[in-house]
Amino acid sequence: QLQLQESGPGLVKPSETLSLTCTVSGGSISSSSYFWDWIRQPPGKGLEWIGSIHYSGTTYYNPSLKSRVTISVDTSKNQFSLKLSSVTAADTAVYYCARRRGIPAAPFDYWGQGTLVTVSS
Amino acid sequence: DIQMTQSPSSLSASVGDRVTFTCRASQSITSYLNWYQQKPGKAPKLLLYAASSLQSGVPSRFSGSGSGTDFTLTISSLQPEDFATYYCQQSYSTPQTFGQGTKVEIK
Repeated sequence: QLQLQESGPGLVKPSETLSLTCTVSGGSISSSSYFWDWIRQPPGKGLEWIGSIHYSGTTYYNPSLKSRVTISVDTSKNQFSLKLSSVTAADTAVYYCARRRGIPAAPFDYWGQGTLVTVSS
Repeated sequence: DIQMTQSPSSLSASVGDRVTFTCRASQSITSYLNWYQQKPGKAPKLLLYAASSLQSGVPSRFSGSGSGTDFTLTISSLQPEDFATYYCQQSYSTPQTFGQGTKVEIK
């Protein structure tokens, strides 16, 4: 059974960089069949797609965040990571990692449990 | 970006009720519409994809329909475990976008 687990600091200071890692178990991140995504949800609000990566290194980002986001993959550790720079209180959210098949229009079929990141001094 | 609008934002219903809610896209997304269920403190769970295809393991009381810009999710007989928030998501174009959710509450 595929499992995804987010990890990283729960508190980040304004203007600093948020860094999270998603560890994939029960399957290989190096499969050509999948993309690996980050999605976030501010407290009490809806879901926002941040971006995705293929094991080959191909990335796609939400234009609204593109200037601040970097997603990378470490196939040796079966992990992928998110960096979001210059954070503000508006970046406070539960951050989820997720998987989708690498075919057009695929849904997110596996999700991590999510991790709350609070931006505060 | 394609805007997704769900209605109603919340509804109250009883166990055994048939409930239907809708999702509208700001432009045609053909059938590239997915539905998720989210319970408090949990990650979203995929229910249906491609507007009407049931994800493996999801009960058959859930069904979806629609194409183009208008879509519906129906629960044929509401069960206690179905009280949750439901989100639609378009996977037609990047960035993928979600609706604001419909919260199903106990009457």
